[in-house]
Amino acid sequence: DAGVIQSPRHEVTEMGQEVTLRCKPISGHNSLFWYRQTMMRGLELLIYFNNNVPIDDSGMPEDRFSAKMPNASFSTLKIQPSEPRDSAVYFCASIQTGFVNTIYFGEGSWLTVV
Amino acid sequence: SQQGEEDPQALSIQEGENATMNCSYKTSINNLQWYRQNSGRGLVHLILIRSNEREKHSGRLRVTLDTSKKSSSLLITASRAADTASYFCATGSNFGNEKLTFGTGTRLTIIP
Repeated sequence: DAGVIQSPRHEVTEMGQEVTLRCKPISGHNSLFWYRQTMMRGLELLIYFNNNVPIDDSGMPEDRFSAKMPNASFSTLKIQPSEPRDSAVYFCASIQTGFVNTIYFGEGSWLTVV
Repeated sequence: SQQGEEDPQALSIQEGENATMNCSYKTSINNLQWYRQNSGRGLVHLILIRSNEREKHSGRLRVTLDTSKKSSSLLITASRAADTASYFCATGSNFGNEKLTFGTGTRLTIIP
């Protein structure tokens, strides 16, 4: 398996623009997570899905952030409008739930909002 | 908020020495995991220890878990330059294992 695939790997955008980050989880995994990593706040869980349904979105910072998982093989994290403080690395991760297991991370999307 | 807190935040040692990192957590868990993150990369799973286990080994890694103290340690023996990375602990709750909460990480630098 190719692992968790994220795109884009790097994005630089202007404040106010819409940003869409994409994720393809590992085939057969039924839970998907979006994390954000910054120097100041470390690794924060934004939202996670189980069987394509959002289970916990309490980590989503504000209404400018939204996430969808239309099917088992694709998820998006959207920021609209983007702000400089959204600059961070956004990780997608997936897992096969039902028993104790490990999370597999993508390589991250490095977002810079100027 | 972070469930786990790693200690120290940064550690520099000579190649060949052993490196020990600690993790403390606050709530009940059913498992604790350690992950490594190389600069510019995603996190990679290293080892998992269940709440009913006290020690676990994997190659040069040794993990201990003390649930009474809500703490864990990761020991890397005979360190190598390639071990330079950030190390994170992550905890899974008693009420489900799919949601992991990560600590703040220890930045380990191995000096050749």
